Amino acid sequence: QQQVKQSPQSLIVQKGGIPIINCAYENTAFDYFPWYQQFPGKGPALLIAIRPDVSEKKEGRFTISFNKSAKQFSLHIMDSQPGDSATYFCVPPGKLIFGQGTELSVKP
Amino acid sequence: DVKVTQSSRYLVKRTGEKVFLECVQDMDHENMFWYRQDPGLGLRLIYFSYDVKMKEKGDIPEGYSVSREKKERFSLILESASTNQTSMYLCASSPTGQGMDEQYFGPGTRLTVT
Repeated sequence: QQQVKQSPQSLIVQKGGIPIINCAYENTAFDYFPWYQQFPGKGPALLIAIRPDVSEKKEGRFTISFNKSAKQFSLHIMDSQPGDSATYFCVPPGKLIFGQGTELSVKP
Repeated sequence: DVKVTQSSRYLVKRTGEKVFLECVQDMDHENMFWYRQDPGLGLRLIYFSYDVKMKEKGDIPEGYSVSREKKERFSLILESASTNQTSMYLCASSPTGQGMDEQYFGPGTRLTVT
């Protein structure tokens, strides 16, 4: 079964910083690569997703980029805010496997 | 508005009890899923269902069973609860495919087995 390696496990940044979360996986072919955001006490919710026709997708302050040679997806959060403090999960293409999660804390 | 509801937010059961966790979605989705979430392990798939009365094992089905008698309802059953099943349980649904569509999650049930 395809594995996914998500890093880092936890991340602390100051308000305004740019946290970066990475997901590396085995299969380079993909149709859909989503990222989920989970706040404490809530279920995960889709944050942003990318399809293979683009190498980067931006939605507000959140950007997904895809490095095909490194087989890696990255999530960037521009101008991070304390309200972005949450756990972030990637999901490899076409699989029901979630990454281990990255717990992000944005300090005021 | 899309909604997945779970029968309980918190549940405390004793070792050996039979436990039912219920999940209902109101979006007419084909697929439903049960995950458990543990610190440092992310979400792990227990079972999923692509249609009424159909089920497929996920990564960690041991000690669990499921039932899907109606499209909107997917139940997770712990036949004989054990302390290592203490966890957060999350139900999700999606329109079609195998993770190819957005999954909509319920708020979770935190189960404690004593």
